[in-house]
Amino acid sequence: DIVMTQSPDSLAVSLGERATINCESSQSILHSSKKKNHLAWYQQKPGQPPKLLIYWASTRESGVPDRFSGSGSGTDFTLTISSLQAEDVAVYYCQQYYTTPRTFGQGTKVEIK
Amino acid sequence: QITLKESGPTLVKPTQTLTLTCTFSGFSLSTNGMGVGWIRQPPGKALEWLALIYWDDDKRYSPSLKSRLTIIKDTSKNQVVLTMSNMDPVDTATYYCAHRGTGNYEGVFQHWGQGTLVTVSS
Repeated sequence: DIVMTQSPDSLAVSLGERATINCESSQSILHSSKKKNHLAWYQQKPGQPPKLLIYWASTRESGVPDRFSGSGSGTDFTLTISSLQAEDVAVYYCQQYYTTPRTFGQGTKVEIK
Repeated sequence: QITLKESGPTLVKPTQTLTLTCTFSGFSLSTNGMGVGWIRQPPGKALEWLALIYWDDDKRYSPSLKSRLTIIKDTSKNQVVLTMSNMDPVDTATYYCAHRGTGNYEGVFQHWGQGTLVTVSS
């Protein structure tokens, strides 16, 4: 299985400041011929299902604010919220869809400082 | 517009078999590339992928739960059914079904149901 490890487990950021979440996979999830990283980021607010934010590591889902961005390749990935808003308080998960079993990170809780 | 909805018992006893149904609309599971997956989340914990069924009836399972899981599809009813045998209190969780995308969303869980909370207790 590919193990997805997120860091930190939680972070508190002031409104308007940058939040950065890291995700590391235990093996590369870059498809060599497609040249795409099979990595998605989800946002989950209390009592709600996960919501797709980013796929292919850096493609923003339609309707997602451009303050959310994804980067990285191979085994190391980052989700950045450039200017944290109150509505961004949530738990964020990375997930690889390179192979089965699909695996998620343990989640990173983002709060307001 | 793609929607999914999970249904099933809210309470099961230990050792019983859980049967959950995902009823969806907005896509057909007979379409090339389509898939439906199941993911669960114990209270306060992380997401755990369980199973995935593809349009061609290919089925994939979590290795740690494979012996307990069965996933089937009923294309005519737009439903996917997950059964999990020998339920234990540690299986208490919210169970989600999700649509596996195609094309530019190939492999991505783009759409999710609201989830259903299943409690395992005697």
